[in-house]
Amino acid sequence: DVKVTQSSRYLVKRTGEKVFLECVQDMDHENMFWYRQDPGLGLRLIYFSYDVKMKEKGDIPEGYSVSREKKERFSLILESASTNQTSMYLCASTLGWEAFFGQGTRLTVV
Amino acid sequence: GNSVTQMEGPVTLSEEAFLTINCTYTATGYPSLFWYVQYPGEGLQLLLKATKADDKGSNKGFEATYRKETTSFHLEKGSVQVSDSAVYFCALRSPTQGGSEKLVFGKGTKLTVNP
Repeated sequence: DVKVTQSSRYLVKRTGEKVFLECVQDMDHENMFWYRQDPGLGLRLIYFSYDVKMKEKGDIPEGYSVSREKKERFSLILESASTNQTSMYLCASTLGWEAFFGQGTRLTVV
Repeated sequence: GNSVTQMEGPVTLSEEAFLTINCTYTATGYPSLFWYVQYPGEGLQLLLKATKADDKGSNKGFEATYRKETTSFHLEKGSVQVSDSAVYFCALRSPTQGGSEKLVFGKGTKLTVNP
């Protein structure tokens, strides 16, 4: 059974904090993605990685960075959390045409 | 770049009703097209796909046909069940500036099926 695991289902952080969202996949996929999901806006791509230490900006990278030191792990970093980063964050990995998603992390920044 | 436009919701139906969720795309060439479904409290999962024109994807009673003439990939089901209540996303594969590929999603359509 394929599995993409996000470290937290719910997080509450304070404005200005540095926040780490972790994602691990057990399928040896090369491509991994971070999306945010907001009502009325659907899924928007933040960053993705196509290999270890390789990354590419998505459509809304401002305020975020990523790290991929090992193939199975892809971390999203909010350098200084702000209230407009309150959202659902979804991690995915892909092999060929199919994407496998984690359950999401609902982040609230207060 | 490539993009997807899908019908805005929410959509509310009674059990056993016919479902159509419209999806049209704008793309260079003929990208692979997908429908993903998100059940409450879960991540997205692939529902069906079509990789070339005139292909029909199907799964769990849902169908969608890749129509290049109308650049559409509408999702249909003949008789919905309460368990089909979810958010449905149309998506396509799109090239990136760096030479790899990403999935581009529509905004999602929330479906509620009442008993």
